[in-house]
Amino acid sequence: EPEVTQTPSHQVTQMGQEVILRCVPISNHLYFYWYRQILGQKVEFLVSFYNNEISEKSEIFDDQFSVERPDGSNFTLKIRSTKLEDSAMYFCASTGSLSNQPQHFGDGTRLSIL
Amino acid sequence: GENVEQHPSTLSVQEGDSAVIKCTYSDSASNYFPWYKQELGKRPQLIIDIRSNVGEKKDQRIAVTLNKTAKHFSLHITETQPEDSAVYFCAASIRAAGNKLTFGGGTRVLVKP
Repeated sequence: EPEVTQTPSHQVTQMGQEVILRCVPISNHLYFYWYRQILGQKVEFLVSFYNNEISEKSEIFDDQFSVERPDGSNFTLKIRSTKLEDSAMYFCASTGSLSNQPQHFGDGTRLSIL
Repeated sequence: GENVEQHPSTLSVQEGDSAVIKCTYSDSASNYFPWYKQELGKRPQLIIDIRSNVGEKKDQRIAVTLNKTAKHFSLHITETQPEDSAVYFCAASIRAAGNKLTFGGGTRVLVKP
């Protein structure tokens, strides 16, 4: 069964540094998402992306965050200047259709800000 | 925006018993309700979903019910097994409107052998 893949599995970064989290969505999917989950808390929506542009973003997704689909397969989340509170598990998800297909999640990237 | 409340936050059941998790949502426009199971350190995995034109859906030991009028939906697991132990999240979204998922707070289920 096709899967969403994410790299790296764990990223440790100094506060103030930039990080790029990478995702390869399922190949024929068109809609892409980033969610985050702070340890022990619920999964929170960050941003959705379709047709090379952001469809929707949450209040969490401020100017420090950006997303990009640099080629036909990768979907990246960049945090420009990391803060301690950015420490979380970041999940990428994708779906092929809004009307009748579920979102499939990757294994996540655990981001630790020191 | 949408708000999803989930109860209970923890649930301990004896193997073989049933487990029920309840969620309420606030946005009457929500029309898609998936349930995800998340084992420790792993990805959320879809276990069942239901659309607003259906009142109930069943898949082997798992069933979901939806009450649109009351804006609540529930997950029922029958004949629980130790491998059902995990955190379960309900979610709500509006299909064909970006489809972002709003998650509930999660229920930690422990099935005791």
